[in-house]
Amino acid sequence: GNSVTQMEGPVTLSEEAFLTINCTYTATGYPSLFWYVQYPGEGLQLLLKATKADDKGSNKGFEATYRKETTSFHLEKGSVQVSDSAVYFCALRHGSSNTGKLIFGQGTTLQVKP
Amino acid sequence: EPEVTQTPSHQVTQMGQEVILRCVPISNHLYFYWYRQILGQKVEFLVSFYNNEISEKSEIFDDQFSVERPDGSNFTLKIRSTKLEDSAMYFCASSTAGRRGTEAFFGQGTRLTVV
Repeated sequence: GNSVTQMEGPVTLSEEAFLTINCTYTATGYPSLFWYVQYPGEGLQLLLKATKADDKGSNKGFEATYRKETTSFHLEKGSVQVSDSAVYFCALRHGSSNTGKLIFGQGTTLQVKP
Repeated sequence: EPEVTQTPSHQVTQMGQEVILRCVPISNHLYFYWYRQILGQKVEFLVSFYNNEISEKSEIFDDQFSVERPDGSNFTLKIRSTKLEDSAMYFCASSTAGRRGTEAFFGQGTRLTVV
């Protein structure tokens, strides 16, 4: 079946460090891929998305590239800030789904220290 | 900016009691969802709702669960007889379409604690 696997957290970085959060997926067909972020006390917010192979999603300095050959959608940021501390969720929506159901990874907690 | 709102933010209930979690989706959205997250675990899909009927549901969404859109604005999740294992954060979401690239907008969640 369809699934998403993220690297385990928590990830602890110093401010201005480089961030990578790994995400791999299993799906038939051509899913769309998403990164959602959950700041403390808030709901899930879409951070970025990519809908086809080799697409790069980007927002707020974060990037992720849809790699079909490695079934990956790793999240990267060149220089993290304390305000980036949050839980990050990788998710997919299956290509054949017309209900919009999202399948999430387990989430990765990022802690950025000043 | 339009947002999905959920009430209450935290609900404590006794095992066996019925609870209703409420959501107001974004007004021009047509697809509505409930997800849940048990502490420390994945966000899991429960149900999707379109055109006044369930369009897809997961194995978790058994006969104890039901959803309703009682008027033009609210979308509710009812748990008929709560169990301890229903304790979780419940998220409501909505989107304009069910197509694979469409963004889903999430509420802040309701934390349900069953004691």
